[in-house]
Amino acid sequence: GEDVEQSLFLSVREGDSSVINCTYTDSSSTYLYWYKQEPGAGLQLLTYIFSNMDMKQDQRLTVLLNKKDKHLSLRIADTQTGDSAIYFCAERGRDSNYQLIWGAGTKLIIKP
Amino acid sequence: DTEVTQTPKHLVMGMTNKKSLKCEQHMGHRAMYWYKQKAKKPPELMFVYSYEKLSINESVPSRFSPECPNSSLLNLHLHALQPEDSALYLCASSQRDRNTEAFFGQGTRLTVV
Repeated sequence: GEDVEQSLFLSVREGDSSVINCTYTDSSSTYLYWYKQEPGAGLQLLTYIFSNMDMKQDQRLTVLLNKKDKHLSLRIADTQTGDSAIYFCAERGRDSNYQLIWGAGTKLIIKP
Repeated sequence: DTEVTQTPKHLVMGMTNKKSLKCEQHMGHRAMYWYKQKAKKPPELMFVYSYEKLSINESVPSRFSPECPNSSLLNLHLHALQPEDSALYLCASSQRDRNTEAFFGQGTRLTVV
C-alpha cells in the first residue's frame, strides 16, 4: 500500500526556522497536506500543495515539493512556543482512492 | 465559518452502554468522515459519507454504527464497546469526497471502562 514517512521528533530554538520533512510513495499523488495537532485538540489544516507546484508560501509557512524525489517539507520561520505541536504530513492520490494517507507525525519541540 | 463541531468533548462509557457521538457542519460540505486516533498516532479512517450515503467503511466492527441524517449532521452510534476502543474520535468534512481541504472537529475523547 501507499506510505508516508516522517521523522518523529524535531527540536529547534525559539526564533529559529523549523524544517519538517516528509517522503511519500504514491506516484499518483494529487494533493499533499500539512496538519497541526496541539495536545488534546483536533487536527488543524495548515496548508496544502497541488502536485504540479514546487513551492507555496503562506506567511511564516513555506511548503516545498520535490515530486521527482517524492519529498515534501514544511518550513516554519521564526518558530514560536505556540508552534509546539505534532505536525502530520498527508497525501491524497488515485492509488489510495483519494483518501488521505497519513505520516506518523513529527513532534516539534521548542527550546527557549 | 470553517467549523466542524463535535459533541460531547469527553465521554466515559461502560462496555454494556449505548451512546452516540455527534458531528455538525454548516459549510455546505457534502462529504463527512469519521476517524479514530490513538495517542501519538495518526488518524485512521473509519467511514466516509458522500451526499449522505455511506461510500467507504474501512472494515470497522459493527459495534460502531454511523448515521448521516442530513447533509449537515453525522452521528456515530456506539454499542458494546471494548476498552481498546478508547481513543479520540474525529469528525471531518470536505466539499466532496475527493476535495482538496478536509476540516476536522476537535474530537470526542472516548474512554471505555
